[in-house]
Amino acid sequence: GAGVSQSPSNKVTEKGKDVELRCDPISGHTALYWYRQSLGQGLEFLIYFQGNSAPDKSGLPSDRFSAERTGGSVSTLTIQRTQQEDSAVYLCASSLGTRGYEQYFGPGTRLTVT
Amino acid sequence: QQQVKQSPQSLIVQKGGISIINCAYENTAFDYFPWYQQFPGKGPALLIAIRPDVSEKKEGRFTISFNKSAKQFSLHIMDSQPGDSATYFCAASRDQAGTALIFGKGTTLSVSS
Repeated sequence: GAGVSQSPSNKVTEKGKDVELRCDPISGHTALYWYRQSLGQGLEFLIYFQGNSAPDKSGLPSDRFSAERTGGSVSTLTIQRTQQEDSAVYLCASSLGTRGYEQYFGPGTRLTVT
Repeated sequence: QQQVKQSPQSLIVQKGGISIINCAYENTAFDYFPWYQQFPGKGPALLIAIRPDVSEKKEGRFTISFNKSAKQFSLHIMDSQPGDSATYFCAASRDQAGTALIFGKGTTLSVSS
């Protein structure tokens, strides 16, 4: 079946602009996660959605970052007033609600802020 | 505060050799320890995972060894192949029901032929 998809695959933006990154999880997966992967670093948790529960936003690095999940499926990560330090690969993962420890990752969106 | 420490940062192994990657964690509440494999341009893929109630788990050429008292776990890749060349991440989770995975910084493995 189809895996997690993300778009765009690459995004180049100017400092100060807003960007939106999209994630389409595996059908039937109720849990959705966003991570950020910077060069030479591991994956940094950003935000977690589980069904209709309030999202866990504890990993968002600043109030310039926000995410929403519509209809329990597609999610959009928005970064406002982008900064050069926001340059990274943004990864989305999804899992079954009962097996949240088995997360399936998308290919990521590489964001470059110039 | 980094909760999962991974070493080495990079590793070069001859074809047919054993690759060993080590991780240490701090939070004793972690109860699930997966390893992910990532190829360039791809997202990480779950490779193998272990829970703290067992000391070893083997799947094909991949083995996880777990030492609960030392709060350490390691990945062993037997008979390493050039196709195993990738970045490997260890991770830990606090809760089976689905919370964020805490990742190590990764090990870049290169298997020379």
